[in-house]
Formats: sequence, C-alpha cells, structure tokens
Amino acid sequence: NAGVTQTPKFQVLKTGQSMTLQCAQDMNHNSMYWYRQDPGMGLRLIYYSASEGTTDKGEVPNGYNVSRLNKREFSLRLESAAPSQTSVYFCASSEYWAQYFGPGTRLLVL
Amino acid sequence: GESVGLHLPTLSVQEGDNSIINCAYSNSASDYFIWYKQESGKGPQFIIDIRSNMDKRQGQRVTVLLNKTVKHLSLQIAATQPGDSAVYFCAERRIQGAQKLVFGQGTRLTINP
Repeated sequence: NAGVTQTPKFQVLKTGQSMTLQCAQDMNHNSMYWYRQDPGMGLRLIYYSASEGTTDKGEVPNGYNVSRLNKREFSLRLESAAPSQTSVYFCASSEYWAQYFGPGTRLLVL
Repeated sequence: GESVGLHLPTLSVQEGDNSIINCAYSNSASDYFIWYKQESGKGPQFIIDIRSNMDKRQGQRVTVLLNKTVKHLSLQIAATQPGDSAVYFCAERRIQGAQKLVFGQGTRLTINP
C-alpha cells in the first residue's frame, strides 16, 4: 500500500494564479483532511471530509476550496493564490481517530 | 485560549540515553491523544496513541504516559538512536466523537553522538 499520496511535491505560483493540490489514499479510510504547516504554527486544519460526499471547514479555510471526488481522493484548490498561502500542505486520512499523513506539497507564492 | 502546548521547543540527548518529550493540554474533556514524529522534509508519522481511560501505553521503544490530574502527556523514547532525530508533535481530540485533532507546535529532538 502506498498510504497517502500527494501531487505535486513542489510548486511555485505567482500571485493570482490558481492551482489544485491532489491527494489520494488507498487505505479505504472514510475521513480525509487538509492541513497547512508554517514555521512556529504547527499543523492547522484547512478543511476536512468526514465521509464521501461531505466537507467541512477547519480552522483556516479562507482562500481555499475542496472537493471529495470519491472515497479515495480529496483535492484542495487555491482559486487566487496569495503570498500568505506560501506553506507546506499535508493531506491526511483516518478511519477512526489516528490520522495518517502524506509527504506534503511545498508551495511558494511569489 | 485553550491549546496543546509543549514545555520545551528543543531537546538534546546523548545517543543511547532515554528521551522524554512533554506536552501540556488544557481541555479536561479531551479523550484521545496521539504522538507524531516528523523528519525533515517528510510528513508526520504516527508513533503511538492513548485514550483518556488509560495512564500508560507502550510500543516498540516508546511509552506514552498520561496524567489527567495535571493535564500532562509525555513520550518516552528508550535508548535514543540517531534515527530518532526529528520534530515530535502531540495532538488531542477535544470533543468526544469528533474526528478533528488539535496539534501542538512540536519539540525538536537532536541526538548527540
């Protein structure tokens, strides 16, 4: 099993550009999550999906949208990127309580 | 406000010694706690978890202790190895039945040869 996979690994955007971060898991988990990690801030929840067909806002949802495409895939979209969205983005999945993380996407917005 | 916090941002230990990483929490209703290890450039990796109805749980070379009286969580790593160098995060589930976790900011563990 690959676990949780994320694409791309790195991305550089200009302010105002849009992009979608992809996440997939092969553990048949019901719940999936998107976090951002900034220096000194720890992991902050952007959006989560408790099950296929549902999504909910987390702590820092502004400037982001998500789509739970199916049970395996959960994407994060930046419609108009801003420098404040420069961060490392992690996707995670869970069946019960323990969350399992992907390798991350490093995003730089210029 | 309430937060999951750590007593020390960095911890340096000698190879072969035991490491103890601490975490304080403020929400007495939290019922589940988890420790993650994050190596440089990688995603957080699950280490061990514990429910609030337990005081101690052991894994391979790791032990988590939970003291609900003082709202304190610790991760003990036995015979620390160079591969244990990483940032360690604790996280808590604050609402029973909820799936969201709240993460602390992390402690960097460095191993001296």
